[in-house]
Amino acid sequence: EPEVTQTPSHQVTQMGQEVILRCVPISNHLYFYWYRQILGQKVEFLVSFYNNEISEKSEIFDDQFSVERPDGSNFTLKIRSTKLEDSAMYFCASSWDGNNVLTFGAGSRLTVL
Amino acid sequence: RKEVEQDPGPFNVPEGATVAFNCTYSNSASQSFFWYRQDCRKEPKLLMSVYSSGNEDGRFTAQLNRASQYISLLIRDSKLSDSATYLCVVRILTGGGNKLTFGTGTQLKVEL
Repeated sequence: EPEVTQTPSHQVTQMGQEVILRCVPISNHLYFYWYRQILGQKVEFLVSFYNNEISEKSEIFDDQFSVERPDGSNFTLKIRSTKLEDSAMYFCASSWDGNNVLTFGAGSRLTVL
Repeated sequence: RKEVEQDPGPFNVPEGATVAFNCTYSNSASQSFFWYRQDCRKEPKLLMSVYSSGNEDGRFTAQLNRASQYISLLIRDSKLSDSATYLCVVRILTGGGNKLTFGTGTQLKVEL
């Protein structure tokens, strides 16, 4: 079964450092997403990406965050100047179209010290 | 009011029991509804979509009441492997496609 793969599985960083989380969506999917889940809290939408641009973003997704699809396979989330409260599990997801079911990756756990 | 509200549980039930979870949502523009399952520190996985007429998938039955903005999940003959957190999820279709709004989840523990 096709999978969404994410790297790294766990990243520890110092406050103020930049982090890049990587995702390889399912190959024929056209829509890409990032969600995050702070420990013990709900899964929250960050951003959706289609046709090489952001199609929607939440209020969480401020100037500290950016996404990019640098080549035909990777989809990255960059967090600049990380804060303690950025510590969370970050899930990448993809779907074939905007109405279809999302497939989530296994997540990247970010710990900011 | 929370966008998607669930009883956090935990629900501790014996194997073989029937258990029901409820969920309410606040946005009447919500168009699609789902139950996801999340195991500890894992990604959410789709359990089933929820249709207005109600739908069943094996031991799992989902119901939707649009007038009351209420969704339910019934698990019959529960198994140890059903132990997980069950997430109520709604989708509002926007130009961005799949923006899902998750509830905080209801934890189920099935015991021998």
